[in-house]
Amino acid sequence: DTGVSQDPRHKITKRGQNVTFRCDPISEHNRLYWYRQTLGQGPEFLTYFQNEAQLEKSRLLSDRFSAERPKGSFSTLEIQRTEQGDSAMYLCASSWTAAGVNEQFFGPGTRLTVL
Amino acid sequence: ILNVEQSPQSLHVQEGDSTNFTCSFPSSNFYALHWYRWETAKSPEALFVMTLNGDEKKKGRISATLNTKEGYSYLYIKGSQPEDSATYLCASHNAGGTSYGKLTFGQGTILTVHP
Repeated sequence: DTGVSQDPRHKITKRGQNVTFRCDPISEHNRLYWYRQTLGQGPEFLTYFQNEAQLEKSRLLSDRFSAERPKGSFSTLEIQRTEQGDSAMYLCASSWTAAGVNEQFFGPGTRLTVL
Repeated sequence: ILNVEQSPQSLHVQEGDSTNFTCSFPSSNFYALHWYRWETAKSPEALFVMTLNGDEKKKGRISATLNTKEGYSYLYIKGSQPEDSATYLCASHNAGGTSYGKLTFGQGTILTVHP
């Protein structure tokens, strides 16, 4: 399977714990995006990488959130001191700069539940 | 702030019915409009990427139209089948500023096709 993969698919944690999610993009894609979807809403943009550089962060991304993309390959999204409001589906997408209209390919998401 | 709106929020149809959904988006700095289909427990799947005013695209029984001047797109499904049951998302890509291809999604239309 050469699509975007995310790990884990589900995560249940207690409030105050730290969690980390991983995204493996399509191998030749240089752009990587994180989105978050809460119940009844569409996905909302969180952050964007071109290669290893984090070029844009949403105001939704509080200080408790950090994302990295070392070596421009896989990416991790860490949430520190989780809160119940962090419960959501976290989606990762990748694309290739030269693809013109920037068609983004999505992974299956990580569903986070904070108790 | 970009607002992408989809209607209806949910739709129940009988197998064989034809149906359509609406997506409205800001027409200023428009670059591209994306349609995705998202089935439960799977990755959002790209259906169409549309850029030109008047664009019409078709994939099997599904087609879409685009009006960039007034800021709306329609998605049509002809002869709905139970396997068409999914959430249909539209997303706007507006150029300019630091918007590196991030997508702004509508809240989605949940389609249920009953046998």
